[in-house]
Amino acid sequence: GENVEQHPSTLSVQEGDSAVIKCTYSDSASNYFPWYKQELGKRPQLIIDIRSNVGEKKDQRIAVTLNKTAKHFSLHITETQPEDSAVYFCAAKGYSSASKIIFGSGTRLSIRP
Amino acid sequence: KAGVTQTPRYLIKTRGQQVTLSCSPISGHRSVSWYQQTPGQGLQFLFEYFSETQRNKGNFPGRFSGRQFSNSRSEMNVSTLELGDSALYLCASSLEGSGSRNEQFFGPGTRLTVL
Repeated sequence: GENVEQHPSTLSVQEGDSAVIKCTYSDSASNYFPWYKQELGKRPQLIIDIRSNVGEKKDQRIAVTLNKTAKHFSLHITETQPEDSAVYFCAAKGYSSASKIIFGSGTRLSIRP
Repeated sequence: KAGVTQTPRYLIKTRGQQVTLSCSPISGHRSVSWYQQTPGQGLQFLFEYFSETQRNKGNFPGRFSGRQFSNSRSEMNVSTLELGDSALYLCASSLEGSGSRNEQFFGPGTRLTVL
């Protein structure tokens, strides 16, 4: 069945450094790739998403890249700040209504002061 | 617009009981999805409802069921509760859940504890 693998499961970076989280998906029909951030005790919130007709998308310090051939997509956070500490989930979904959204297992990102 | 709301926020039940959780989507959203979140398993998809019909289903036993009403509000029911059902249950709504209108917005969740 469809699967999304996410790595690493935990990541600790020095404040100001960059963080990269990688995901691999199995369903070649996937064409929508959102990233969610979940702070402790809060609901997941969409921080950025990308569709398959785009290779890269940026929003301030956050960027996502997509390689459809390799079925990889990655989240890049630059100039990390303490408020970036959270669990990040990637997900993949196909275009049709019959397609389920599949989430990765999450990455716990910690920013060291 | 008001966000996605879920009731109750916390529940404590005992094994063998049943429970019903409620989710009110953002006004105008027609798709409601349910997820189970546990520390070791991340976000596990339960099912999705659209226009009162179950459109997608995850790999959960038949004890987990749901429904959607004409106003798009959704309920999920878990019968014969087991200790392993203790989790945070999240619902998420989207405009249509497909095509270009599938951005999901999550509710705060219902924390279910089974004793």
